[in-house]
Amino acid sequence: GAGVSQSPSNKVTEKGKDVELRCDPISGHTALYWYRQRLGQGLEFLIYFQGNSAPDKSGLPSDRFSAERTGESVSTLTIQRTQQEDSAVYLCASSQPDGLETQYFGPGTRLLVL
Amino acid sequence: GEDVEQSLFLSVREGDSSVINCTYTDSSSTYLYWYKQEPGAGLQLLTYIFSNMDMKQDQRLTVLLNKKDKHLSLRIADTQTGDSAIYFCAFDTGRRALTFGSGTRLQVQP
Repeated sequence: GAGVSQSPSNKVTEKGKDVELRCDPISGHTALYWYRQRLGQGLEFLIYFQGNSAPDKSGLPSDRFSAERTGESVSTLTIQRTQQEDSAVYLCASSQPDGLETQYFGPGTRLLVL
Repeated sequence: GEDVEQSLFLSVREGDSSVINCTYTDSSSTYLYWYKQEPGAGLQLLTYIFSNMDMKQDQRLTVLLNKKDKHLSLRIADTQTGDSAIYFCAFDTGRRALTFGSGTRLQVQP
């Protein structure tokens, strides 16, 4: 597709439930990133995938958070046993290894945990 | 780690220039970026500057980098109502993922 797409665009869930967020990167982009943006704040890095290398999970806030990526395509971010503090916009970005590695962002998934 | 500070809010009149500032602590970044976020939309890369440059101009946008003071700024000339958005500075810190400031909300009044 033309850009990074994410689904769903909005998700409302109850505390304690699991959620899965999906990201479709730009075709050909080998790098994929997940960020979290809490209301009124900047972006927090969560996890980074580059090709077939082991992902950089150093930003994941707890073991309730996990992410997978199938080859160099779709990625899913899973949050288990959601808590109210998980409410945020989850942004996905992709880039190609061209030196500058400009990150192109999707529109995000707005997650609200009640 | 990187510490990045931005002022929260800036209000200007249409046609005026806007200057959005960013200060940082880690000077190891190769590229320094400005992103724009409009309501309900993802982040859009506006411009970037290579760390060995002092200034970059791109149409109405001017980026100034003062490495000594660790200060990055974005000037928007002839600001329009369509420029109203949140602006984030961002840095690559060698970990590939970017470190973002908390964002400056620019409000352009007609």
